[in-house]
Amino acid sequence: DIQMTQTPSSLSASLGDRVIMTCRASQSIGTYLSWYQQKAGKAPKLLIYGASSLQSGVPSRFSASGSGTDFSLTISSLQPEDFATYFCQQTYSTSRTTFGQGTKLEIK
Amino acid sequence: QVQLVESGGGVVQPGGSLRLSCAASGFTFSNYVLNWVRQAPGKGLEWVALISYDGRNNYYGDSVMGRFTISRDNSKNTMYLQMNSLRAEDTAVYYCARETGSEMGSFDLWGQGTMVIVSS
Repeated sequence: DIQMTQTPSSLSASLGDRVIMTCRASQSIGTYLSWYQQKAGKAPKLLIYGASSLQSGVPSRFSASGSGTDFSLTISSLQPEDFATYFCQQTYSTSRTTFGQGTKLEIK
Repeated sequence: QVQLVESGGGVVQPGGSLRLSCAASGFTFSNYVLNWVRQAPGKGLEWVALISYDGRNNYYGDSVMGRFTISRDNSKNTMYLQMNSLRAEDTAVYYCARETGSEMGSFDLWGQGTMVIVSS
């Protein structure tokens, strides 16, 4: 299986900060990479697909980039509703998709 | 309203069985590949199983292969997960999730989840 490794596992930041988190795949996955946001007690929500495409309805302060094995998610100016856990997912192997372990974004 | 709603979770003893359901509404159910994803308490997301549009092709994660069976009834807009030989490590919130129609295969619609607790 393709392993997905997210760094850092947790991150403290303040409102208005610019935040970057990363995701690395154990082998090249092209741009078959998605990002999800999950708030406590809720289902994950799709933010980014195809490594850099913003899902409809997602604020433009979210952006992402990368290809191959290294990917990143950037939040340009943190808002109160952005404090959550973020997961990456590879869909290169669609019949065996895998998720990263998550980055928990907390208020400093 | 476009949504997925899971049901069927509960408390079951080790070695027992449970069947989860995922009812869809607001979209053409038979046009989409569907998945089950689970999340153990305080842990990350683990993909469990996938079923093709017509139910003819199924795939499973290693941890559930041979014990879980995914199926769907397109006439009822419902997907199922039959879980047998349950273990303590199967304790989790189980989500059903729809794959987008694009080749990227992201999960663009999720249910609210149903909790399964395996305990004696």
